[in-house]
Amino acid sequence: EVQLVESGGGLVQPGGSLRLSCAASGFTFSTYAMSWVRQAPGRGLEWVSTISAGGSAAYYADAVKGRFTISRDSSKNTLYLQMNTLRAEDTAVYYCAKATVTTWGPRWFDPWGQGTLVTVSS
Amino acid sequence: EIVMTQSPATLSVSPGERVTLSCRASQSVSSTLGWYQQKPGQAPRLLIYGASTRATGIPPRFSGSGSGTEFTLTISSLQSEDFAVYYCQQYNDWPLTFGGGTKVEIK
Repeated sequence: EVQLVESGGGLVQPGGSLRLSCAASGFTFSTYAMSWVRQAPGRGLEWVSTISAGGSAAYYADAVKGRFTISRDSSKNTLYLQMNTLRAEDTAVYYCAKATVTTWGPRWFDPWGQGTLVTVSS
Repeated sequence: EIVMTQSPATLSVSPGERVTLSCRASQSVSSTLGWYQQKPGQAPRLLIYGASTRATGIPPRFSGSGSGTEFTLTISSLQSEDFAVYYCQQYNDWPLTFGGGTKVEIK
């Protein structure tokens, strides 16, 4: 069974940094692209970033480009999201999600982790 | 950026009713369209990909149709466990974008 478990969320001040992790199991992590998707309280879903299976390519939403960095460590089966210069509008539940096919490109997500809450506030 | 628009925002229905949700893309996305269900406090769950292919384990009362810019998710007979928010997502191009969601609530 595929499992994705996020961690690293919490309360951070505006301008601060946080690193999220997503521990993956139940599949060959190194062969699938992985993504982060967020959801602000009471709002809809917003794609944040996707990284290729090998980690050599990544895409970002304009809202986070230059501030967030996605990465992965296949030796640890773990996906990361380094978030710098955080803003109040980054407050959200952050989900990691797996691509469903091994070929690189824009894809749908299945499954999703349970999410980790990031709150940016002074 | 491809903008996805869902309608209606909220739908009040009774159990057993047939439900039709709409999703429109600002430009053609061919059939690169997925649907997700999200219940309160839970992560989204994939229902449909490729506009009309049910994901593993999704009951046949859920069906998707459409291509280009107009898409529909149909629930043939609404069950109590289907009350949730439904999102569409295009994966034709970056950035990946979601619709604003349709909440299906009990009438």
